[in-house]
Amino acid sequence: AAGVIQSPRHLIKEKRETATLKCYPIPRHDTVYWYQQGPGQDPQFLISFYEKMQSDKGSIPDRFSAQQFSDYHSELNMSSLELGDSALYFCASSLGQSGGFNEQFFGPGTRLTVL
Amino acid sequence: GQQLNQSPQSMFIQEGEDVSMNCTSSSIFNTWLWYKQDPGEGPVLLIALYKAGELTSNGRLTAQFGITRKDSFLNISASIPSDVGIYFCAGPVYSGGGADGLTFGKGTHLIIQP
Repeated sequence: AAGVIQSPRHLIKEKRETATLKCYPIPRHDTVYWYQQGPGQDPQFLISFYEKMQSDKGSIPDRFSAQQFSDYHSELNMSSLELGDSALYFCASSLGQSGGFNEQFFGPGTRLTVL
Repeated sequence: GQQLNQSPQSMFIQEGEDVSMNCTSSSIFNTWLWYKQDPGEGPVLLIALYKAGELTSNGRLTAQFGITRKDSFLNISASIPSDVGIYFCAGPVYSGGGADGLTFGKGTHLIIQP
């Protein structure tokens, strides 16, 4: 079965540069979530989108922004990168908002290294 | 914010042994999830629990949603080498906006000794 696709899988940037991470949800899934996982840490929720509108916001820094496009893919834009932004970034997708919880399926992640 | 306390932090077991880990919270959760993560990979959903008292199995895995809605446990029977990894409990943090993000426990590292 098709899974969540993330690109790139690895990214190396210098401090103060910008980065764009992409996420392609499972076909028919209309909701995407972004998480950040530092070394040895649990994933931290950043932001989510449903039907191209921002839905929920977690601990996303002001330097980061994200959006969901008409084909439901999402991009996480990160500016003024800092060393502490080095982490694994996961995208997850789910189907619909039924008023209850919708199971989230995670992608393989993008490993961002800031030098 | 809501915190999930997961224990143990790590487990060293022999192949074939049963494993048990749990998660507690000071807040009520309406959904409990258990994920497994291999190094450098994304978390994989193992079991989702939606009702207090619910007991759900997935192969050798069994998870229960505590009656108080503040805890859950995951059991793995007859462990095998591919069970090695980090197991996370997680629950959605309801904000009223829908598409709720998950809060995760700190994880249980499962290590199988030869």
